[in-house]
Amino acid sequence: QQQVKQSPQSLIVQKGGISIINCAYENTAFDYFPWYQQFPGKGPALLIAIRPDVSEKKEGRFTISFNKSAKQFSLHIMDSQPGDSATYFCAASVVLTGTASKLTFGTGTRLQVTL
Amino acid sequence: KAGVTQTPRYLIKTRGQQVTLSCSPISGHRSVSWYQQTPGQGLQFLFEYFSETQRNKGNFPGRFSGRQFSNSRSEMNVSTLELGDSALYLCASSPPRQGADTQYFGPGTRLTVL
Repeated sequence: QQQVKQSPQSLIVQKGGISIINCAYENTAFDYFPWYQQFPGKGPALLIAIRPDVSEKKEGRFTISFNKSAKQFSLHIMDSQPGDSATYFCAASVVLTGTASKLTFGTGTRLQVTL
Repeated sequence: KAGVTQTPRYLIKTRGQQVTLSCSPISGHRSVSWYQQTPGQGLQFLFEYFSETQRNKGNFPGRFSGRQFSNSRSEMNVSTLELGDSALYLCASSPPRQGADTQYFGPGTRLTVL
C-alpha cells in the first residue's frame, strides 16, 4: 500500500532531448509528491514537488505531470543537459499524526545525458 | 543559511560494535528525519523527531534508535552492527510551516561494517 514504483531504472538521453521518468503509487492518502535529484557522494536535493489538487507544475526545465485518477506522476526534463546526469527519485508522503509525515521513495532512475 | 550537516562523513566499524551518527538541521527547522540508503533497498525511512519526541518510526529493528536535543540536533545510534547495516545514512530537516513533508537532506554518513 505504501509502495511507490518508479521507471525506468536507467535512462540515456541525448543533450537537448526530453527525459521522462514515471512513478505510480497505490495509497490514495498520499498528498505530497516531490522529486529529488542526487549526485554521487551527495544527499538527495529537492527538485520540484506537487500536491494532488494540481495536474501540472513547471519550474524552469523541470515539469511534474500528475494524474490523480491513474495514480501516476512523472518528471519531464526539457532540453536535457550533461549536468542533469544524476539519479532521480520520486517520493510520496501522507500526513500520519498531526503534522508528522514520512517520505516513501521510488527506487530511483539513473539518468545519463550524452553529448 | 547553512544546510543540513552530518558527522562524521565516513565510518568504518566491525560487526558487533555500535555507532552514533550526528545531524545538525538547518537553522529554524525542528523536524529531523533519518533514512537509510542502500543499492538494494533504496531509500528507507528510519524515524522522525520533532521537538525532542519521536513522531514516526519505520520498519527497522530496535538496534536502530535515535534522539533529538533541545537545539533540534539529532543523533542516531545503531547497536550490535551487522554487515547489512553498511549504507549511506541520510538526515533530513523540515521547516516548521511546511510540515515534515518538505525535507532537505544532508550529505549523509557512509557507514561500512566489516
